[in-house]
Amino acid sequence: EPEVTQTPSHQVTQMGQEVILRCVPISNHLYFYWYRQILGQKVEFLVSFYNNEISEKSEIFDDQFSVERPDGSNFTLKIRSTKLEDSAMYFCASGQGSFGYTFGSGTRLTVV
Amino acid sequence: GIQVEQSPPDLILQEGANSTLRCNFSDSVNNLQWFHQNPWGQLINLFYIPSGTKQNGRLSATTVATERYSLLYISSSQTTDSGVYFCAVTTSGTYKYIFGTGTRLKVLA
Repeated sequence: EPEVTQTPSHQVTQMGQEVILRCVPISNHLYFYWYRQILGQKVEFLVSFYNNEISEKSEIFDDQFSVERPDGSNFTLKIRSTKLEDSAMYFCASGQGSFGYTFGSGTRLTVV
Repeated sequence: GIQVEQSPPDLILQEGANSTLRCNFSDSVNNLQWFHQNPWGQLINLFYIPSGTKQNGRLSATTVATERYSLLYISSSQTTDSGVYFCAVTTSGTYKYIFGTGTRLKVLA
């Protein structure tokens, strides 16, 4: 079964540093998403991406966040200047619009 | 916005027992999925079920969209079923999922 691949699985970074989380969506999917889950809490929507642009974003997705699909296969989430409260599990997902979508295994980001 | 509530919040079962998890949503939905978050944090897709009934082995799910709820049935539970179960929905005009509050299941050997 096709998978969404995320790297790294765990990243530790110092407060104020930039991080890039990487995702390889399923190849024939058109919609791409980032979600995050702070430890013990609900999974929260960050941003959706379609046709090479952001189609929707949440209030959480402020100016410190950006997304990119640099080469037609990868999908990245950049956090420009990390804060302690950015520590969370970040999930990438991809889908075809309907029929649901598939989540990656997540990147656990720890900001120290 | 739409509210997605799951019950019960916590559930402890003996291995071999059956259980029913419920997801209530406050508005009409276009898409609904059930996920299992395992102890390693991975979100595993169980069912895409905006309406009707589906079965996959020991798991089955039913969504009654007109009454705004979905049920996940786990039969003959195993310790590997432990984790958190989420339902997630989308509403008209958007493909972003709103996740429910989750049911934390622990299956004891």
